[in-house]
Amino acid sequence: ELKVEQNPLFLSMQEGKNYTIYCNYSTTSDRLYWYRQDPGKSLESLFVLLSNGAVKQEGRLMASLDTKARLSTLHITAAVHDLSATYFCAVDDWGGADGLTFGKGTHLIIQP
Amino acid sequence: NAGVTQTPKFQVLKTGQSMTLQCAQDMNHEYMSWYRQDPGMGLRLIHYSVGAGITDQGEVPNGYNVSRSTTEDFPLRLLSAAPSQTSVYFCASRAGYGYTFGSGTRLTVV
Repeated sequence: ELKVEQNPLFLSMQEGKNYTIYCNYSTTSDRLYWYRQDPGKSLESLFVLLSNGAVKQEGRLMASLDTKARLSTLHITAAVHDLSATYFCAVDDWGGADGLTFGKGTHLIIQP
Repeated sequence: NAGVTQTPKFQVLKTGQSMTLQCAQDMNHEYMSWYRQDPGMGLRLIHYSVGAGITDQGEVPNGYNVSRSTTEDFPLRLLSAAPSQTSVYFCASRAGYGYTFGSGTRLTVV
């Protein structure tokens, strides 16, 4: 059974600080997704990581993938209030069901 | 380009009632899937389809039925609603590595 674990599940931080969200998964899949969700809204795709060592950056967010460690990280640099949201990682398991297995999400609050 | 369209956006059902959540996509994607989102649980896969006429179960299929008669539509049926099915439901389609999610249906069963 594929498992995806995120930590922390809740994070409160100040503007201007840096922090990292971790995503561990149990399969050998090398496709890892990061999504953002605002309250009452749908999922917004942030990054798709397709191979070992992949690194992608968009603004203050940077995601990386280590398939050997089965670990992905989402790093936030110099956080701003607008980044407050819930962030999900998910893994696509081609060997099983055709769908995503999600972590429980990280609820991020960035305070001025 | 509408993407993935879900209807209705909100619904209240009484226990035992049945209903269908609609999902339509206009991107000619072969793969479609349904998820439910509960507080603190992330999203969990209910059913999925790899093409017209082909469906399969995901992690939490009990109490739900699906069919895929066309590429565009993938309805989710609740046969006899229960309070445990109170949730937010998302439909998604996929082409290649990219998933597109609908805006969701918030369902309350009383």
